[in-house]
Amino acid sequence: NAGVTQTPKFRILKIGQSMTLQCTQDMNHNYMYWYRQDPGMGLKLIYYSVGAGITDKGEVPNGYNVSRSTTEDFPLRLELAAPSQTSVYFCASSWGTGAEQYFGPGTRLTVT
Amino acid sequence: AQSVTQPDIHITVSEGASLELRCNYSYGATPYLFWYVQSPGQGLQLLLKYFSGDTLVQGIKGFEAEFKRSQSSFNLRKPSVHWSDAAEYFCAVGSYNKLIFGAGTRLAVHP
Repeated sequence: NAGVTQTPKFRILKIGQSMTLQCTQDMNHNYMYWYRQDPGMGLKLIYYSVGAGITDKGEVPNGYNVSRSTTEDFPLRLELAAPSQTSVYFCASSWGTGAEQYFGPGTRLTVT
Repeated sequence: AQSVTQPDIHITVSEGASLELRCNYSYGATPYLFWYVQSPGQGLQLLLKYFSGDTLVQGIKGFEAEFKRSQSSFNLRKPSVHWSDAAEYFCAVGSYNKLIFGAGTRLAVHP
C-alpha cells in the first residue's frame, strides 16, 4: 500500500511555463485534495474532488486547474506559471466528508 | 464561518519537559477534530482525531488531546517531549467536504 504518491518531488519552472503535478492514491478514497503551503504558513486548499468527474474550488484556485477522470488520480495543472506559485504542493485523500486526510510527500515548485 | 486558531506560532521546550499546544475552533455543530505533525521536508502525518465519545483522545508517539466543548478547544499534550518531536503541528476541524487547518505551531526542543 503506497498511500498517496506525488510526482515530481522538485521542479523549477520559468515564468509562463505550464506543468502538471501528479497525484495518485491506492486506498480507493473518493475524496481528494490539493493544498499549497508557503514558507512558514499553514495549508491553503486549492481544489478538491468528492469523486470521479466531480471537482470544486477551494480557497485559492486562481491559476490552477484540475480533473478527476479516475478514483485514483487527481492531477493539478498550472497554466502560465507565476512567481507567486512558488510553494510546496500537497495532495491528500480521504474516505469521506469530515474524515482524516492522508497526505502525499509533497512537490516543491519554484517559479523563476 | 468555520475556523481554527493556534495562538502560539513558536514554542520552545526542553527535552523531557511537558508540552501543551493550544487549538481553538469555531464550528456550529459537533466538530470532527484532528492534530497533524509535519517534520521538516515531509508531508503531514495524523497524530490523533476526535469524532465523538471520550473527550480525551490518545494518539501516536505518546500524544493525547482533550476536547472541551465549553471552551471550543482541542489542546494537544505530551508528558515528556523527545528531541524527535521537534516539528510543526497543525490542528484541523472537519467541515463538510474539507478540513480547515490552523496556521500551525512550530515546536523546538532544547537538549
